[in-house]
Amino acid sequence: EADIYQTPRYLVIGTGKKITLECSQTMGHDKMYWYQQDPGMELHLIHYSYGVNSTEKGDLSSESTVSRIRTEHFPLTLESARPSHTSQYLCASSEPGSRNEQFFGPGTRLTVL
Amino acid sequence: GQNIDQPTEMTATEGAIVQINCTYQTSGFNGLFWYQQHAGEAPTFLSYNVLDGLEEKGRFSSFLSRSKGYSYLLLKELQMKDSASYLCALGGATNKLIFGTGTLLAVQP
Repeated sequence: EADIYQTPRYLVIGTGKKITLECSQTMGHDKMYWYQQDPGMELHLIHYSYGVNSTEKGDLSSESTVSRIRTEHFPLTLESARPSHTSQYLCASSEPGSRNEQFFGPGTRLTVL
Repeated sequence: GQNIDQPTEMTATEGAIVQINCTYQTSGFNGLFWYQQHAGEAPTFLSYNVLDGLEEKGRFSSFLSRSKGYSYLLLKELQMKDSASYLCALGGATNKLIFGTGTLLAVQP
C-alpha cells in the first residue's frame, strides 16, 4: 500500500490568506506531482518535481508555488487565496523507471470564501 | 498533443459485465493506465498496459491496441462498490501522466 499523506484533508479559508498544503511520502520516490481537480472533472497537472531542488510547472497554469527541499516533502503554497482556487488538490508520487505508476494521496479539499 | 476520449457516464446492473472504452490520439507513449476514483477520494491504480493485448486482474481486465489508438477496461460480476469514475491515462517519456475526463459508472441493483 502506498504511503503518501496530505494535510489538511479539508480547509475553509477567507480570501487573501496565505496557505500551504502539505504532502509527504515515505516511499523514497524521487518524482512527485500536484494535480487540481474540480468536482466531476479531469485531473490537471499543476506542478511536478523530479527530485530535490527540481520543480516544474505542469500543463495547467496555477498561481500556486511548490518547493522540494527534501525528497519526502513537496508542499504547495498559495500566497493569497481567492475563491477561484476552490478545488481539490491531489498529490502523487511515482517510482523510478519508465512505467511511472503514480500513487495518490487522499487529497485536500480547499474552499476559499 | 494527446487527446483522450472516454464516455462521460455509463450505467450497468449488479452482476453484469461492463466495458469502458478509451480512445486516444498521441505521438507516443510508454503505457496506458486505468485508475478508479470514488467520489471525493483519490484515484487508485487498477491496471497498466504497455503491450497490445489483454491484461487480466481478477474481475478487472484491460485491453490495449496501439495501432487503433484504443483501450478498454472490462469489469465482470459488477458489484455496487464498483460505482465510481474510471480514468484512462497515458504515461509518456516525460514521466507525466495525461488523464482523460473519466467515465462515471453507476451500478444499479
